[in-house]
Amino acid sequence: AQSVTQPDIHITVSEGASLELRCNYSYGATPYLFWYVQSPGQGLQLLLKYFSGDTLVQGIKGFEAEFKRSQSSFNLRKPSVHWSDAAEYFCAVGAQAAGNKLTFGGGTRVLVKP
Amino acid sequence: EPEVTQTPSHQVTQMGQEVILRCVPISNHLYFYWYRQILGQKVEFLVSFYNNEISEKSEIFDDQFSVERPDGSNFTLKIRSTKLEDSAMYFCASNPQGTYEQYFGPGTRLTVT
Repeated sequence: AQSVTQPDIHITVSEGASLELRCNYSYGATPYLFWYVQSPGQGLQLLLKYFSGDTLVQGIKGFEAEFKRSQSSFNLRKPSVHWSDAAEYFCAVGAQAAGNKLTFGGGTRVLVKP
Repeated sequence: EPEVTQTPSHQVTQMGQEVILRCVPISNHLYFYWYRQILGQKVEFLVSFYNNEISEKSEIFDDQFSVERPDGSNFTLKIRSTKLEDSAMYFCASNPQGTYEQYFGPGTRLTVT
């Protein structure tokens, strides 16, 4: 069964500082990996995805993530955080087949200090 | 840019009532999903739907729940005899043939009193 762990429930970061959110997954085959962001009261917006190829993927809003198969990780990074990045971030894994469910991690809530 | 829409944005219902949550997926998408997120918890898969039938469902998706695509555009989730623990945000998602990223709607917040 597939599973996703986001070890950090909350992270507080100063505006302008770098941010790294951890994600570890468990999946028996090559996974599809996603990061979604959820602002308060809003839906889920896709930040970036990894399907294959280059293990460093770029997303929207200046985010990037690196797939490390040996560590079963897909950590999200941003070099310089803006106050608008305060939100909850979810890592998700899916099978490499259309119509398959996504399994989400528990989320990491990011607070940005001025 | 096309997006998934959901109505209503907030639904309040009394325990034991039936509710229908509506979704309009992106028009050329073929795979449809419902997820839910109980307040403060992770997003959980409920059901996936393709070619007018359920392709996968979770153990949460019991006989209380049903899905339907009544016409070419809507995708609905019906919850019969609602319980307090059904209170959650319900997200609809869709994806087209040949890709695997799911596009989520803004959600319907269901409150059962």
